[in-house]
Amino acid sequence: EPEVTQTPSHQVTQMGQEVILRCVPISNHLYFYWYRQILGQKVEFLVSFYNNEISEKSEIFDDQFSVERPDGSNFTLKIRSTKLEDSAMYFCASSVDRGQYNEQFFGPGTRLTVL
Amino acid sequence: GDSVTQMEGPVTLSEEAFLTINCTYTATGYPSLFWYVQYPGEGLQLLLKATKADDKGSNKGFEATYRKETTSFHLEKGSVQVSDSAVYFCALSDPGGGSNYKLTFGKGTLLTVNP
Repeated sequence: EPEVTQTPSHQVTQMGQEVILRCVPISNHLYFYWYRQILGQKVEFLVSFYNNEISEKSEIFDDQFSVERPDGSNFTLKIRSTKLEDSAMYFCASSVDRGQYNEQFFGPGTRLTVL
Repeated sequence: GDSVTQMEGPVTLSEEAFLTINCTYTATGYPSLFWYVQYPGEGLQLLLKATKADDKGSNKGFEATYRKETTSFHLEKGSVQVSDSAVYFCALSDPGGGSNYKLTFGKGTLLTVNP
């Protein structure tokens, strides 16, 4: 069964460093998403992406964040200069189509720890 | 804005016990409602969904009914198994307010079922 994969599973970095979190969405999916969950808090939407551009972003997704689909399979989230409060589990998701009925398929997450 | 509130965990039950996880929501428009489950080391998986009032979503013995009058979508299972141990997330997708159908999640409820 097709699945969304994410690498690495755990990333430890120093404050101020750049990190890139990688995701491989399901191959025939067209819509891509990043969510994050700070420990003990809700899963929060960060950004959605379609046709090589951002279709929606949350207030969390400021200038320190960027997303890219560098080739036909990967979807990346870059944090330019990490802060302590960026420590969280980051989930990538993809869907065939958009719409409120459409299932989003999630990856297992990358745990980011900023020291 | 939209929000989802679900009962705080952790919830610990014995095998074959009855499970209820409460979920209530607020939404601008007429949302679709979802329950996602996350097993250890895996991504969030869609468990069930309901797209209009009085719809009942069901899967793997779990059920939830969309109650518009009480803005609720409580998850129930008549007889839990050890293999149901996981984190359960209530979520909504709301076409109102200009959303691009992002998911809004609750905090998640950790369920542990003991043999």
